[in-house]
Amino acid sequence: GAVVSQHPSRVICKSGTSVKIECRSLDFQATTMFWYRQFPKQSLMLMATSNEGSKATYEQGVEKDKFLINHASLTLSTLTVTSAHPEDSSFYICSAPRPGANVLTFGAGSRLTVL
Amino acid sequence: RKEVEQDPGPFNVPEGATVAFNCTYSNSASQSFFWYRQDCRKEPKLLMSVYSSGNEDGRFTAQLNRASQYISLLIRDSKLSDSATYLCVVNIGAGTYKYIFGTGTRLKVLA
Repeated sequence: GAVVSQHPSRVICKSGTSVKIECRSLDFQATTMFWYRQFPKQSLMLMATSNEGSKATYEQGVEKDKFLINHASLTLSTLTVTSAHPEDSSFYICSAPRPGANVLTFGAGSRLTVL
Repeated sequence: RKEVEQDPGPFNVPEGATVAFNCTYSNSASQSFFWYRQDCRKEPKLLMSVYSSGNEDGRFTAQLNRASQYISLLIRDSKLSDSATYLCVVNIGAGTYKYIFGTGTRLKVLA
């Protein structure tokens, strides 16, 4: 149980385009989801907390107009990287709290490459 | 100072060896602690939570020292399949999921 599905797993796009990444909780409801970014050989860094039915909470230094988060239902959060540039190339991972447990379950991640 | 610090390694050990990783955290108000495992280009997966009294899961033993603000992970009888990056994770808020990740320690178990 507590499966988080993330799609797409890999995306390559041209500079200036927008990319949408989906994160779904398959067998449970998630009022909160989290979006992380991981650059090569670096730690996961929390970008924002996605809240169902309300605005996301962004971490310091993360541009909310560039990384649009929508959490329209209890099972789906989306991250849209707008006007992507090569420096946005990274591994983006979503997670959700496992019901009844004090742990996070992670999606498989989305590797974004911006050319 | 980083909030969660780990030796990046790599630790290269032969099969069957015992290896220990340490992690220190800076926020004394941290509430809960975990070890996650991350394989190359994959998502982190929970290895084990870390409890104040220490806990063991098969070949893996985790310890927490709140006074010194460090966490350890001991792996006995290393297997080739243990090769991965081990992430020390600290939750700094009660009732929240404000997870802070260490940069990870890379382990290579050699045949």
